[in-house]
Amino acid sequence: QVTLKESGPALVKPTQTLTLTCTVSGLSLSGTRVSWIRQSPGKALEWLARIDWDDYKFYSASLKTRLTISKDTPKNQVVLTMTNMDPVDTGTYYCAQIGCSGGSCFFDDWGQGALVTVSS
Amino acid sequence: EIVMTQSPATLSVSPGERATLSCRASQSVDSNLAWYQQKPGQAPRLLIYSASTRATGIPARFSGSGSGTEFTLTISSLQSEDFAVYYCQQHTVWPPGYTFGQGTKLEIK
Repeated sequence: QVTLKESGPALVKPTQTLTLTCTVSGLSLSGTRVSWIRQSPGKALEWLARIDWDDYKFYSASLKTRLTISKDTPKNQVVLTMTNMDPVDTGTYYCAQIGCSGGSCFFDDWGQGALVTVSS
Repeated sequence: EIVMTQSPATLSVSPGERATLSCRASQSVDSNLAWYQQKPGQAPRLLIYSASTRATGIPARFSGSGSGTEFTLTISSLQSEDFAVYYCQQHTVWPPGYTFGQGTKLEIK
């Protein structure tokens, strides 16, 4: 059974850098892709970044200047950093394992989410 | 960026009835379309991928159809546990990108 769990600060101040960690159990990062997705309160889902087993990285075009995704394969962890946090970045941040079928990829397993509030 | 538009925003249906949710892409996404269910306080759950394939453990009352720009999620006979928010999501192969619709809230009539 695959499980993912997000961890990180619940509160950050404006202009600070957010660092979130996703700990994956049940499969190795050396054989999968993991993404970060966020959801502002009462709003839709927004894809942020993806890291592949071969360390290829991809980012949302609108946020790429602020995001960095990385992984620690021995620890089975994926880390997301987001710089220059703003109150509009308040929301729940999810990590999710990507599954693919043919050329179609989707978010197969999700973590429970980490609620991040940006406020001074 | 491909924009996904879901309709209606809210759908009121009685238990036991059929629900039909729509999702439109601003340009063709072939069959690279997934559907998710989200209940309050929970993470989304994958229901359908590749437009019409049910994910593991998803009941047969959930079905997906469509290709190109028009997609439909049908729930054939609504159960109490099906009232939730549903999102569609497209996958752009290269460069990789993913966008979600704004969601349809399925509520009890």
